[in-house]
Amino acid sequence: KAGVTQTPRYLIKTRGQQVTLSCSPISGHRSVSWYQQTPGQGLQFLFEYFSETQRNKGNFPGRFSGRQFSNSRSEMNVSTLELGDSALYLCASSLRLNNYGYTFGSGTRLTVV
Amino acid sequence: AQTVTQSQPEMSVQEAETVTLSCTYDTSESDYYLFWYKQPPSRQMILVIRQEAYKQQNATENRFSVNFQKAAKSFSLKISDSQLGDAAMYFCAYRDNQFYFGTGTSLTVIP
Repeated sequence: KAGVTQTPRYLIKTRGQQVTLSCSPISGHRSVSWYQQTPGQGLQFLFEYFSETQRNKGNFPGRFSGRQFSNSRSEMNVSTLELGDSALYLCASSLRLNNYGYTFGSGTRLTVV
Repeated sequence: AQTVTQSQPEMSVQEAETVTLSCTYDTSESDYYLFWYKQPPSRQMILVIRQEAYKQQNATENRFSVNFQKAAKSFSLKISDSQLGDAAMYFCAYRDNQFYFGTGTSLTVIP
């Protein structure tokens, strides 16, 4: 079966712009969570969605938002981009919340210039 | 807050030999999961092995096994018969209602 699909793979944006990243979970998976990976901060949790509702949120500013659609696909939006937002953004999907069977995608590499 | 510590930024091992990667964590919870993920240059986080905290038996997946010491909050990964394809960044992770990751150990396999 298809894995977790993240699009686009690479993205270059200018400071001040906004960006939307997409994550399509494994078929049947209803939980999608997002993580930011940077060399300095490592992997940090952004938020998790289940059944179109945000269930948990990490410690990121309000410029970072997300949503989940009825087909479980999720999007993450970052507004007013800053240079420090340059990172690899990973999403992971699971059948249900707090289930240990999480599968990660290959991420979107965002570069802010 | 829960923290995960990987004290070895880099490790190397000869092909076919055994290597152990260290991980400690801090939590006040009693019910949680522990994981080792592998991240090759392709960037995808690949699950290596997982352990439920309530299980005393150490998890094993083929050449990969863990030494889970709940009281000491230690969760080390042993890779036996190392192969060139094992070279990657390895992340230890703790999960209750979200993942907490360590800073990673870069493993080099020497032919």
